[in-house]
Amino acid sequence: AQSVTQLDSQVPVFEEAPVELRCNYSSSVSVYLFWYVQYPNQGLQLLLKYLSGSTLVKGINGFEAEFNKSQTSFHLRKPSVHISDTAEYFCAVSDSGGSNYKLTFGKGTLLTVNP
Amino acid sequence: SQTIHQWPATLVQPVGSPLSLECTVEGTSNPNLYWYRQAAGRGLQLLFYSVGIGQISSEVPQNLSASRPQDRQFILSSKKLLLSDSGFYLCAWSEQYNSPLHFGNGTRLTVT
Repeated sequence: AQSVTQLDSQVPVFEEAPVELRCNYSSSVSVYLFWYVQYPNQGLQLLLKYLSGSTLVKGINGFEAEFNKSQTSFHLRKPSVHISDTAEYFCAVSDSGGSNYKLTFGKGTLLTVNP
Repeated sequence: SQTIHQWPATLVQPVGSPLSLECTVEGTSNPNLYWYRQAAGRGLQLLFYSVGIGQISSEVPQNLSASRPQDRQFILSSKKLLLSDSGFYLCAWSEQYNSPLHFGNGTRLTVT
């Protein structure tokens, strides 16, 4: 079974500052990794995913994440945030070998971008 | 392109009343379908998933049930709601193998 730990429940930053949202996972098998974003009272939207290949993954809205197998991490980064990036961000992991596809989510990190 | 519809957006129901939330997917066939519940500060909890018509797997024993009467229709039900059933319910779909989840806009359920 997998588990996901998002180390910060809330991250306040100022507009145009860089941000890193941390995610660590635990799994006994190879994994796929995802970041989702949720705006208030909406569903989740996929930001980016790591399935295989390059460990640096670029997503929508200028976000990127780096898969680090030795540290079992998949931290999300953006070099310069905007007010509109204020949202909750979820890291998720799945078993890459499973044919029945399920995700395990972290508890989320609320990113608040202040002017 | 594929779309997912979930309704209603908000719902207020008294304790002991029945529940039916519906989710439909368009533009794909034989998707995996999921119901999640989201509670504040607790992330997303997988309630049910389905890999085909009539095939339902329950992740957490509770007061809820799910059904899949058609390929692209997924229904979440309860015969008698409890206060603890309040929350934000999300339907999602994915392709069969190794693809991300696509979420609906959710239903905010308040049990009073």
